[in-house]
Amino acid sequence: EILMTQSPATLSVSPGERATLSCRASQSVSSNLAWYQQKLGQAPRLLIYAASTRATGLPARFSGSGSGTDFTLTISSLQSEDFAFYYCQQHNEWPWTFGQGTKVEIK
Amino acid sequence: EVQVVESGGGLVQPGGSLRLSCEASGFTFTNYAMGWVRQAPGKGPEWVSIISSSGGSTYYADSVKGRSTISRDNSRNTLYLEMNSLRAEDTAVYYCAKRHGDHGVVDNWGQGTLVTVSS
Repeated sequence: EILMTQSPATLSVSPGERATLSCRASQSVSSNLAWYQQKLGQAPRLLIYAASTRATGLPARFSGSGSGTDFTLTISSLQSEDFAFYYCQQHNEWPWTFGQGTKVEIK
Repeated sequence: EVQVVESGGGLVQPGGSLRLSCEASGFTFTNYAMGWVRQAPGKGPEWVSIISSSGGSTYYADSVKGRSTISRDNSRNTLYLEMNSLRAEDTAVYYCAKRHGDHGVVDNWGQGTLVTVSS
């Protein structure tokens, strides 16, 4: 099973600032990496898949990059609605596995 | 509008059984693989199981393999997950998940149904 490790666990950012979240896989997952956003009491929401492909309707301030074992989610200018938990998930081989999450909070 | 609605969660004793259901609407159910993702309190999500569009192929996480059966009724646009020999560590919100094309990602989630395993 591929282990996904996210850092940092918590990221404190001011509105309007840039946020950079990291995800590392225990072995190569090629470009098969997704990002989800989850707010309290809600189901996760798909943001990015295949490392850099935005889900339908996702604002352009969200971007994904990376391949192999190291990936990044960048939110270029944080809006109030972006403060949430973010999870990465590899979709290269079954079982598809998630990271433990990064909480993006207001600084 | 795509919708998936879970039901069947609840409180069950250790060693007990439960069947979760998921009714889908707003898309051609027979075209998509479907699955179950769970999330224990304070933890990241975990893929539990997935079934192909025809129902001919199924996959399970090691944590539930041998104790769970995923199935679908394409005539009723409904997905199921039967779970047996439930343990405390199975306590979680269980989400019905629509797979996004050929990618192993979820593009539509239900609201989730809570399964609590406790005596």
